[in-house]
Amino acid sequence: QLQLQESGPGLVKPSETLSLICAVSGGSLSTRNYHYWSWVRQPPGKGLEWIGNFDYSGNTYYNPSLKSRVAISVDTSKNEFSMKLTSVTAADTAVYYCALTINSGTGGRGWFDPWSQGTLVTVSS
Amino acid sequence: DIVMTQSPDSLAVSLGERATINCKSSQSVLYSPNNKNYFAWYQQKPGQPPKLLINWASTRESGVPDRFSGSGSGTDFTLSISGLQAEDVAVYYCQQYYSSPQTFGQGTRVEVK
Repeated sequence: QLQLQESGPGLVKPSETLSLICAVSGGSLSTRNYHYWSWVRQPPGKGLEWIGNFDYSGNTYYNPSLKSRVAISVDTSKNEFSMKLTSVTAADTAVYYCALTINSGTGGRGWFDPWSQGTLVTVSS
Repeated sequence: DIVMTQSPDSLAVSLGERATINCKSSQSVLYSPNNKNYFAWYQQKPGQPPKLLINWASTRESGVPDRFSGSGSGTDFTLSISGLQAEDVAVYYCQQYYSSPQTFGQGTRVEVK
C-alpha cells in the first residue's frame, strides 16, 4: 500500500526558504509512469491549494500563483521528492501535504490519492 | 483559474437524514470528446488529510460507503449523503482537474443536528 510521509522544520523565519521532503514507501517513484507527485497546502482553518507536481519524465508543473517561488525536485535513489518555497511570509503558514495525483490529463492534472498526514509549517520570527 | 464555489458553508443534519452539498464551477469542467466531468469530492475529518470520495463527478472510490453519491455535470455538482452517520461529520471539498491550476472549493462543514 502506497504511503507518503513528509518531513521538515515546523518553523521558518520570514524571507527564508521553506524546505520539505516527502518519503514514499510501498511503491517506487520511478514506476508510477502515468501519475504525478504533488504538493498541496492548507492554511489553518482554510481550504486547499495545489502547489505543484512532477511526472516520471521530470516535467514539473506549478501553480502560477507560486511559480516564481517554488521548486520541486526528486531523488529516485532515496524514493523521495522535495519542495522548496523561497521568500516566505506569514501567508505561507499552512499544513503542507504531499500526495499522488492520478493522471487525468496533461499539465499535472488529476485527483489526489493517497495523501500524507500533513505537517504544519509556521512562518514567524 | 476556475473558481469552485460550494454551498452552504455549513449545515447541520439529523442522524439518518440526507445531507446535500453543492459545488458550482466558474466554467464547465465537462470534456465533450469523452463526456467526462473532471471533478472530485473529498472528505476531511479534524486532524486528518483529505480523503478521496468520488472522481469523475459520480464514481465512488473503492471502500467508500454507498450512502455517498455524486451527481451533476458541466458547472453544477452535488454530493449527497443519504442517512447521515456520526462518522460523516467532516468538511467536504470539491475539486476540478479540468484545467491547470486544479482548484478546490472552500469547503462545507457537515455537523449533526
